[in-house]
Amino acid sequence: SQWGEENLQALSIQEGEDVTMNCSYKTYTTVVQWYRQKSGKGPAQLILIRSNEREKRSGRLRATLDTSSQSSSLSITGTLATDTAVYFCATEASSGQKLVFGQGTILKVYL
Amino acid sequence: GPKVLQIPSHQIIDMGQMVTLNCDPVSNHLYFYWYKQILGQQMEFLVNFYNGKVMEKSKLFKDQFSVERPDGSYFTLKIQPTALEDSAVYFCASSSKYNNQAPLFGEGTRLSVL
Repeated sequence: SQWGEENLQALSIQEGEDVTMNCSYKTYTTVVQWYRQKSGKGPAQLILIRSNEREKRSGRLRATLDTSSQSSSLSITGTLATDTAVYFCATEASSGQKLVFGQGTILKVYL
Repeated sequence: GPKVLQIPSHQIIDMGQMVTLNCDPVSNHLYFYWYKQILGQQMEFLVNFYNGKVMEKSKLFKDQFSVERPDGSYFTLKIQPTALEDSAVYFCASSSKYNNQAPLFGEGTRLSVL
């Protein structure tokens, strides 16, 4: 999982497999936002889950949030090679305040 | 969909020179951010900006850094003078007032200080 002083995690899976990435956070947050960053590009919004939600789905993506353990996960079902990227979770104390990013998970999906 | 545009995509300058990175945020967004990313590392917050003022800045936001939105359009990050350790990719982001939209990021400006 990603956060704090943990090393950047790397996962390598075959196309079609499912994957779950985890992150934990240390400070109060109103939302957990998941971003995907492909090589040479900016972070792209994937899914936002609010503190009063436990689960959020969007297509092949599913995010969960457990505020009691201060952790979140992002699952991708039926991965594609185009899902290859670095996935970041980020927290935000309130709207407009800074996003605090985790270390990220490098996901490589091979054919 | 709406996009945050960053100009230029790559800038090369000599150490000690001034550089201005430009960001064209989404038109109805009110909050603006700069982040710094060194290759292969996480995104690090520099500063956020609202209503013409800096809201919060991190330790990475050195005295040589400044931000403004001079004409109500471009949001700029100025570094004067630059140092070798300023080499990185700088990402601009903007967000709306409401807590239902994640900040939208630009593609970044790669700054190379020689």
